[in-house]
Parts: sequence; C-alpha cells; structure tokens
Amino acid sequence: DVKVTQSSRYLVKRTGEKVFLECVQDMDHENMFWYRQDPGLGLRLIYFSYDVKMKEKGDIPEGYSVSREKKERFSLILESASTNQTSMYLCASSLVAESGGAFFGQGTRLTVV
Amino acid sequence: QQPVQSPQAVILREGEDAVINCSSSKALYSVHWYRQKHGEAPVFLMILLKGGEQKGHEKISASFNEKKQQSSLYLTASQLSYSGTYFCGTRVIQGAQKLVFGQGTRLTINP
Repeated sequence: DVKVTQSSRYLVKRTGEKVFLECVQDMDHENMFWYRQDPGLGLRLIYFSYDVKMKEKGDIPEGYSVSREKKERFSLILESASTNQTSMYLCASSLVAESGGAFFGQGTRLTVV
Repeated sequence: QQPVQSPQAVILREGEDAVINCSSSKALYSVHWYRQKHGEAPVFLMILLKGGEQKGHEKISASFNEKKQQSSLYLTASQLSYSGTYFCGTRVIQGAQKLVFGQGTRLTINP
C-alpha cells in the first residue's frame, strides 16, 4: 500500500514559535506538495517540490518555507507561527505530471495560540 | 489561481444524480478529481487530459471541455458511500508540476 505519512496528527504551538511539519512518502515520487485546508477555501497550495532541493512557491507561500534534502521527505517550516496559520495542513506526493494522481497524508491539525 | 467549483454543496436522496462543475479562468491541460470523506485524506478518483476526454469510474464519470476551460463530475444513482467533499485539481501547462485545487463541493447523500 502506498503511503504518505505526516509526523503529527495534532499540534499546538505558541505564537512566534518556529514550527516544523514533516512528511515522508514511500513511493519514490518526484513531486511533493504542501496544502492548507480551511473551511470554504478548499485546498490552497503553499509550496511544492519536483525534485530533491528543488522547490517552487504555491499560491500562499508567505510565512512558510520548505526543505527537501531527500527524495522521500518534504518539510514545511513556519518561521514564526501566527494565529492565522491555525489550519489543517495536508502533504501530498505524486509521480511526474499526468502519470497518475496525488496521494495525500492524513493531515496535521495545527493550532497556534 | 484556484479553479472555481459549483455548487458549493448539494444534498441528494440515495439513487439521485449529481453534477459537480469545475471552471478555470486559465486554459487547462489536465483536471484531477478527488473525494474526501470526513476526517480522512482526499482520495484520487480520476484524471482527464485535454481533448474532451470522458472517463468513468463505476457510476462516477467526468468530462473535460478544454474550450470552455471546465470539467464536470457526474455521479449517477448515488449511493450513501458517495457522501463527502469533492475537489477538482488543475494543471495549466503540459509538463508543469504545480497542482491547484478548487474550494470543494460538499455532497450529502441521505437514505
């Protein structure tokens, strides 16, 4: 079974903290994505990576950065967490474009207080 | 820019049909469809490439009209298990890796 694993299901952090969300996939996929999901706004793309050390901004990259040092691992970093970053964060991976669909992790519910 | 889905929500009785639309302001190369059940991760249903292709998946099928820059998902004789939120994901350039999703359509199937 293919798997995308996110390190935490629930996370509570304080305003101003640096937060790391980890995602690991075991399918040897080239692409990895980070989305945030908020009611009524759907899935919004934060960053994506199409190869090791390669990354591109999505539609809402402000306040976030990413790291992909190994093919299987893609980390999302909140440099200084703020309350408006309270959300559900979803990681996904896929083969190169149009080879198939994306596989999603279970999500990390992040609350910033 | 996110594609726009319509309707935002729909409630059906078991056995009824539904259509969910996905429109883009940009020309599309491909459209993905996913279903997310409450508390679970989105699951891939199908992908359509430009060319007006129609695809089927059990009683769920989809069409892609590249001229109109839109795709439609058809659910026929809906079952309780079809309940969930449906998302379309789009790519605008052949070979581009960026995958952008719409805001979702919540489908509720009642007995």
